[in-house]
Amino acid sequence: EDKVVQSPLSLVVHEGDTVTLNCSYEVTNFRSLLWYKQEKKAPTFLFMLTSSGIEKKSGRLSSILDKKELFSILNITATQTGDSAIYLCAVEGTGGFKTIFGAGTRLFVKA
Amino acid sequence: DAGVIQSPRHEVTEMGQEVTLRCKPISGHNSLFWYRQTMMRGLELLIYFNNNVPIDDSGMPEDRFSAKMPNASFSTLKIQPSEPRDSAVYFCASRRDRGEKLFFGSGTQLSVL
Repeated sequence: EDKVVQSPLSLVVHEGDTVTLNCSYEVTNFRSLLWYKQEKKAPTFLFMLTSSGIEKKSGRLSSILDKKELFSILNITATQTGDSAIYLCAVEGTGGFKTIFGAGTRLFVKA
Repeated sequence: DAGVIQSPRHEVTEMGQEVTLRCKPISGHNSLFWYRQTMMRGLELLIYFNNNVPIDDSGMPEDRFSAKMPNASFSTLKIQPSEPRDSAVYFCASRRDRGEKLFFGSGTQLSVL
């Protein structure tokens, strides 16, 4: 059965800290891994990763995928209070082309 | 584009009542997903359609749940009869094609008393 496991489940940091969020997965015929940010309502897209070792970057956020070890990390540098959110990791496999999500990491950034 | 549109935004009902949630995907998207989100279980996939055909409904909790997609621009998720444990936020999401990112609606907050 396809599975996505995120850690930690929750995290409290101070502004300016750097955080690393983890995502490990098991999926039939991996196709892609996606990161989403969820604030108050709908999740919004951050990154899609399909190849190992290639870092995707957007401002203070970056992410990388390791297809051999079946995991991805999401880094946030110089955190701000606006980074407080749930960060969701999802995978899609060619076994059914469905997208399944992990439980998420709840990040709280203190001023 | 208006994005994925869900209705209602909030639904409060009593145990035993029928509940119908509605979703209009983004025009041109051929896959539609229904998810349920709770604190305990996170974002669970309920059912997934491709080209209006249900592909995987293994996440539908039990026979009380049913989903339809009569055409490319409309889908419903029905719960009959509803129970308090069905209380959650229900999200609809669509994507243009396999291998592409999902776009989410704003969700329906369901409370079953």
